[in-house]
Amino acid sequence: GAVVSQHPSWVICKSGTSVKIECRSLDFQATTMFWYRQFPKQSLMLMATSNEGSKATYEQGVEKDKFLINHASLTLSTLTVTSAHPEDSSFYICSAETTGGNEKLFFGSGTQLSVL
Amino acid sequence: GENVEQHPSTLSVQEGDSAVIKCTYSDSASNYFPWYKQELGKRPQLIIDIRSNVGEKKDQRIAVTLNKTAKHFSLHITETQPEDSAVYFCAAGGNKLVFGAGTILRVKS
Repeated sequence: GAVVSQHPSWVICKSGTSVKIECRSLDFQATTMFWYRQFPKQSLMLMATSNEGSKATYEQGVEKDKFLINHASLTLSTLTVTSAHPEDSSFYICSAETTGGNEKLFFGSGTQLSVL
Repeated sequence: GENVEQHPSTLSVQEGDSAVIKCTYSDSASNYFPWYKQELGKRPQLIIDIRSNVGEKKDQRIAVTLNKTAKHFSLHITETQPEDSAVYFCAAGGNKLVFGAGTILRVKS
């Protein structure tokens, strides 16, 4: 399958700071990427849809000013958690959608964020 | 919007037995139904998928069936092995996927 790289794999930060997470499609171009949040032993909750060259589409209840998404190229989307608080601590995972018919979704390796 | 329900939440089987996980969805416009396997601390891995123009698809020990009329689809794993133990997620959608709550599969040797 296609390869999606996500960095960093884990990050610890102080409350009030911002954290940037990168998601890259390594061997394909992705006009659409998705960002999820996953709590322990729970499912994947879609946060937003990242569209190359346009604004992201956020799910209901997700603060767009807190979770900034930039999809500046066909292989890179970034999620910035601004002014992080302990309740933002979670596993964040991205996915990228292949194009060209029969689209499939492939996931990054996830980022464990801990806010102190 | 789409709503996906997945059952059972946990499933224990003896090595060599079959495992079946079922999902129902609500949006008749959904046309893509993938299944993902997630091991602890790792990314979800696409294991099989089916599109709405197909009723069944098989890949070695894994098969998926789709009933569009009833809006449900199922994952079948035959001859289970300990390495099949993981959390399995179904998903349904088109432009956007909605995931089921997951099934913890334990294969006992």
